[in-house]
Amino acid sequence: AQSVTQPDIHITVSEGASLELRCNYSYGATPYLFWYVQSPGQGLQLLLKYFSGDTLVQGIKGFEAEFKRSQSSFNLRKPSVHWSDAAEYFCAVDTTPPGAGSYQLTFGKGTKLSVIP
Amino acid sequence: DTGVSQDPRHKITKRGQNVTFRCDPISEHNRLYWYRQTLGQGPEFLTYFQNEAQLEKSRLLSDRFSAERPKGSFSTLEIQRTEQGDSAMYLCASSLGDSEQFFGPGTRLTVL
Repeated sequence: AQSVTQPDIHITVSEGASLELRCNYSYGATPYLFWYVQSPGQGLQLLLKYFSGDTLVQGIKGFEAEFKRSQSSFNLRKPSVHWSDAAEYFCAVDTTPPGAGSYQLTFGKGTKLSVIP
Repeated sequence: DTGVSQDPRHKITKRGQNVTFRCDPISEHNRLYWYRQTLGQGPEFLTYFQNEAQLEKSRLLSDRFSAERPKGSFSTLEIQRTEQGDSAMYLCASSLGDSEQFFGPGTRLTVL
């Protein structure tokens, strides 16, 4: 079955420290991968996406992610965390049946990020 | 462009009552999606529309749930005979074709 695993439920980092959030997926075809961020009272906002090509993708707010097919991973990174990055982060994979376009995202359970000033 | 809006933002109801939520997508977006997010989980796909046609429904969408998008603009999600297990955040998203899905702030439902 198609699935997304985010092993870390909660991560705490100090402001200015680097960050890596882990994401592993299980999907038979070439995956379309996404990272979203959700702040309290806000909708999910797309940080970045991977469809094909360069396996290191740059996103908004200084985030980047690297697709590693051999490890079925799509980890999110940021070199220096800001207090405003505190939020919940979701990794997602497009699990639309092949040939049906793109409509169904399957999300991980999320990783809550806390930032210590 | 004011983004995707949802109404109400919070709804408290008693078990057995019917509730209806509304979603207004970004104006030029032809696709509209509904997701459900329970505590500690990521969003789960429920259904989506292309214009006014409902093209896919998840098996999570029981017979008590119905969604409509009558004019291809706003959408409603109705839950009949609510159960405590229906308590969740209901998220709406919209997109232009296969492009990025933009999410609304959600409607938080609490069933007592």
